[in-house]
Amino acid sequence: EVQLVESGGGLVKPGQSLRLSCTASGFSFGDYAMSWFRQAPGKGLEWVSFIRHRTYGGTTEYAASVKGRFTISRDDSKSVAYLQMNSLKAEDTAVYYCARGSYQFDYWGQGNLVTVSS
Amino acid sequence: QSALTQPASVSGSPGQSITISCTGTSSDVGSHNLVSWYQHHPGKAPKVMIYEGSKRPSGVSNRFSGSKSGNTASLTISGLQAEDEADYYCSSYAVSSTLVFGGGTKVTVL
Repeated sequence: EVQLVESGGGLVKPGQSLRLSCTASGFSFGDYAMSWFRQAPGKGLEWVSFIRHRTYGGTTEYAASVKGRFTISRDDSKSVAYLQMNSLKAEDTAVYYCARGSYQFDYWGQGNLVTVSS
Repeated sequence: QSALTQPASVSGSPGQSITISCTGTSSDVGSHNLVSWYQHHPGKAPKVMIYEGSKRPSGVSNRFSGSKSGNTASLTISGLQAEDEADYYCSSYAVSSTLVFGGGTKVTVL
C-alpha cells in the first residue's frame, strides 16, 4: 500500500526556517517525481514545488511565490522528500501536502500544518 | 488570483448532472492534455478523479468524466450523490514547466 506521511511542521516566527519531510512507502520511491503543495486557511490548493526522479536528473521547479526561499530535495536511499523553507512569511501559513508525481498526482499525504506568526 | 478560473460553487440535486469548468490559456490548458481534477474533502488528502484530461483512475466512479475544448477543461459529475459534495480543483502543467491550479469549486448536493 502506497503511503506518504508529512512531518516537521509547527509554529515558527517570521524570518525563521523549517524543514518538512515526506516519508514514502509502498512503491519504488526513486522511480517517481515528488511534489509539494499547500493550502492556506480559507484558500485553495497551491502547487509549491516538484523534484523529478533520477532518470531526469532530479531537477527541480518552483512556484514564483516560493522561488529563492524554498528548496526541495530527496534522499532516495531513505524514500524521503524534503522541503526546506527559509525566510518564512505569515503568508506561508498553510497545510502542506506532499504527493507523488510532477504533473498529475495519484497519491497524497494527509498534510502537515505550518504556522508562521510572531 | 489563481492561474486557472473555476466557478466558486456549483450545486445540483441528487441524480442530476453538473459540470465544472476550468479556463486557462494557450500556455497551460490549451497547450497539451495534462489537465487533472482533484476532489478534496476538508481535512483529508486530495484524490485524483481525472488525469490527462479525460482518463479515470482505477476505482473512480464512471460518473466522473473529463473533457477539453480549447483553453477550457471540464469535469462532469453525472448521477450526483451526497458523497460527491466536496471541493474540486483542476490543475494543468504549463509550458514554463510549472503547475497551475484553479481556485477550486465547492460542489453542493441539494
